[in-house]
Amino acid sequence: KQEVTQIPAALSVPEGENLVLNCSFTDSAIYNLQWFRQDPGKGLTSLLLIQSSQREQTSGRLNASLDKSSGRSTLYIAASQPGDSATYLCAAGAPQTGANNLFFGTGTRLTVIP
Amino acid sequence: NAGVTQTPKFRVLKTGQSMTLLCAQDMNHEYMYWYRQDPGMGLRLIHYSVGEGTTAKGEVPDGYNVSRLKKQNFLLGLESAAPSQTSVYFCASGQVNTGELFFGEGSRLTVL
Repeated sequence: KQEVTQIPAALSVPEGENLVLNCSFTDSAIYNLQWFRQDPGKGLTSLLLIQSSQREQTSGRLNASLDKSSGRSTLYIAASQPGDSATYLCAAGAPQTGANNLFFGTGTRLTVIP
Repeated sequence: NAGVTQTPKFRVLKTGQSMTLLCAQDMNHEYMYWYRQDPGMGLRLIHYSVGEGTTAKGEVPDGYNVSRLKKQNFLLGLESAAPSQTSVYFCASGQVNTGELFFGEGSRLTVL
């Protein structure tokens, strides 16, 4: 069974700092890897999707990388803002069941201090 | 642009009662999923569907049933609710070609 781990569980940074969130997975045979943002009491918002054949994806101040051989993905946030405060979840997609079932980490709770 | 809509958003049940959560998507996605989110455990897959009329078990299916009679709807049922089913339930739909999932806002269920 795929296990997804996110470290650290919580992170506080001053506004303007660049930061990296880490995600590791145990089974390298993933279909894709997806990063989400979750605000308190809200649903999940998709941030970036990396297919298994890709190495990275970028959207604005966000950049996600994927290294299947080492079982790792990172989410880089440039010039952090207070509005970036949220929980960030990574999820590895498993295709073997005929649907892209996602296995989730427990998230990193980010606080950006003004 | 509604995306994925879940109803109800909040519900309190007594042990042994039954209820149904409704998920509706307007993106014409083939795949639909039900997850539950519990503190410290991340989201876990309950059931999923790869198309109208199909359902399959996920990681934690016990105590739940599902139906996908129409492509746009995916229902999650609890026949006899238990306190262990207190959780936040998320529905998602997914694209076949990219595998990207889109989530609803969640339904918070409390079983007393």
